Amino acid sequence: GAVVSQHPSRVICKSGTSVKIECRSLDFQATTMFWYRQFPKQSLMLMATSNEGSKATYEQGVEKDKFLINHASLTLSTLTVTSAHPEDSSFYICSGSQETQYFGPGTRLLVL
Amino acid sequence: GNSVTQMEGPVTLSEEAFLTINCTYTATGYPSLFWYVQYPGEGLQLLLKATKADDKGSNKGFEATYRKETTSFHLEKGSVQVSDSAVYFCALSEKTSYDKVIFGPGTSLSVIP
Repeated sequence: GAVVSQHPSRVICKSGTSVKIECRSLDFQATTMFWYRQFPKQSLMLMATSNEGSKATYEQGVEKDKFLINHASLTLSTLTVTSAHPEDSSFYICSGSQETQYFGPGTRLLVL
Repeated sequence: GNSVTQMEGPVTLSEEAFLTINCTYTATGYPSLFWYVQYPGEGLQLLLKATKADDKGSNKGFEATYRKETTSFHLEKGSVQVSDSAVYFCALSEKTSYDKVIFGPGTSLSVIP
């Protein structure tokens, strides 16, 4: 199947700093990419849908100024958590669509 | 709105036992249905899928049949292994798979030797 990578796999940062997470489709072009958040022992919650070259569509309750999404090319989408706080600590997973959604391995963010 | 319901876990089975994880869905149209698996500390992997009624998805000994009349997509495996220990998510996607995926709450499976 198609492969999606994420970088970094783990990141620890201080409160108030910004963190960028990259999501790449390695062997296919993903017109649409999705960003999810997963809390421990819970399901995935969709944060936003991003289409290449246009603004992301955010789900209700997700702050677009807090979670900046850029989808500059058909193989790369980035999520930037701005002014991160401990409550932003979570597992962030992206996916790219090519008939079926293929998920990245996830990025574990810990904000101290 | 669309939603997915799964049996609550955790589920603990002995090796070689039969596995069933129930999944039912609510959707306005004719969704595609999926089972994803998440191993500890990892992202999601697509386990199997079915795109229309009566389709059977299968992979690695797991099977699930798209039952429109009961709006169900139960996951089964005849003989589980310790390596099957993971969290299993039932999910749906409306229209085409380009649309967003709605996940069930997940069912944790532990297989003991």
